[in-house]
Amino acid sequence: SQKIEQNSEALNIQEGKTATLTCNYTNYSPAYLQWYRQDPGRGPVFLLLIRENEKEKRKERLKVTFDTTLKQSLFHITASQPADSATYLCALELDYKLSFGAGTTVTVRA
Amino acid sequence: GAVVSQHPSWVICKSGTSVKIECRSLDFQATTMFWYRQFPKQSLMLMATSNEGSKATYEQGVEKDKFLINHASLTLSTLTVTSAHPEDSSFYICSARDQGTSGNEQFFGPGTRLTVL
Repeated sequence: SQKIEQNSEALNIQEGKTATLTCNYTNYSPAYLQWYRQDPGRGPVFLLLIRENEKEKRKERLKVTFDTTLKQSLFHITASQPADSATYLCALELDYKLSFGAGTTVTVRA
Repeated sequence: GAVVSQHPSWVICKSGTSVKIECRSLDFQATTMFWYRQFPKQSLMLMATSNEGSKATYEQGVEKDKFLINHASLTLSTLTVTSAHPEDSSFYICSARDQGTSGNEQFFGPGTRLTVL
């Protein structure tokens, strides 16, 4: 069966540093992968989508890479700020439906 | 981006009662909406896919008679938790795709916190 793993449940970093989150998947051959942000008690908010033929995608201070050979995506938050504190979810689509990883909760210390 | 609303944002009910949650796409039409459930410190689990004008498609293990879904229009889907029990207490989230664009992202509602006493 398909599996999505985000290997860190929590990540604590100092303001200004880069946070790197990992998403690994098995038994999938996704055409694209998505990253979402979820704040406590709120629904997820779409951040980035990267396609299988794209190695890297950037949006402001966010950067996503996608390695279909390793079956892995890395999500980077550069120059992190306390406002970046949230849970970040990776998601893959299969048969028009999204499956989510368990998420990594990032806490940025001032 | 597209906006999806949910109502109510939270609800507390007694065991055995039914609760209806509404999901609306405010500025776009959504042929398909999705309903998720999220328990504390866990990820979102897809419950069902709601199709406008037809029956919902439920994921394995989700009781269709307990979680009634109606998608009466292109902007409204409802989830009714029938005869709710404490184990149904959870965070329910809907999402929708904007059929008018070519993007693949889903737009999520803010969620509804259900507490069954």
